[in-house]
Amino acid sequence: DQQVKQNSPSLSVQEGRISILNCDYTNSMFDYFLWYKKYPAEGPTFLISISSIKDKNEDGRFTVFLNKSAKHLSLHIVPSQPGDSAVYFCAASALIPGAQKLVFGQGTRLTINP
Amino acid sequence: IAGITQAPTSQILAAGRRMTLRCTQDMRHNAMYWYRQDLGLGLRLIHYSNTAGTTGKGEVPDGYSVSRANTDDFPLTLASAVPSQTSVYFCASSSGINSYNEQFFGPGTRLTVL
Repeated sequence: DQQVKQNSPSLSVQEGRISILNCDYTNSMFDYFLWYKKYPAEGPTFLISISSIKDKNEDGRFTVFLNKSAKHLSLHIVPSQPGDSAVYFCAASALIPGAQKLVFGQGTRLTINP
Repeated sequence: IAGITQAPTSQILAAGRRMTLRCTQDMRHNAMYWYRQDLGLGLRLIHYSNTAGTTGKGEVPDGYSVSRANTDDFPLTLASAVPSQTSVYFCASSSGINSYNEQFFGPGTRLTVL
């Protein structure tokens, strides 16, 4: 049972335009959501996060929106740059006894075309 | 600043053999994690440790064991490898176990079991 879903395996966007990556979750117990970016042959790196009590968090070109009623979040990148080409993972965070648990989506491969 | 190192970078292993994947962090983080990444499934938690001397099971622990003798090292052992353990393995660490804590990932170990 996939608790966090990224339904678009890939996305192609023109340089300078907006990239929108989507993520859906099923468990209301998640209280923090994070986006990670991954380049080939490297580990994921943290990009931006949002608390479940907020509906928007912005950091430079990156903005994450959270719609709790729809159990949906999205990552907006504007303007998109060639260096943004990577796989993006959405992750939902919850506490399990004695630890933090991150549940990841399947990932979306973003390609920025010049 | 190394962050998290993993060894080996890649390995081809015969089924039935024993293998230990190494993970070392120099950030003095208390919490450490092992994930496996498989196409279409994202990253899934195998085992975790919230402090030296303690470990716990994640989402897919069967066939794997871990130990945490000190803060810096968190090895993952496959006692008798099977082809379904072919995957990319990522070690991660975080300074705390709250929902908002960012996890830092190593570069990964690509393991092929034949």
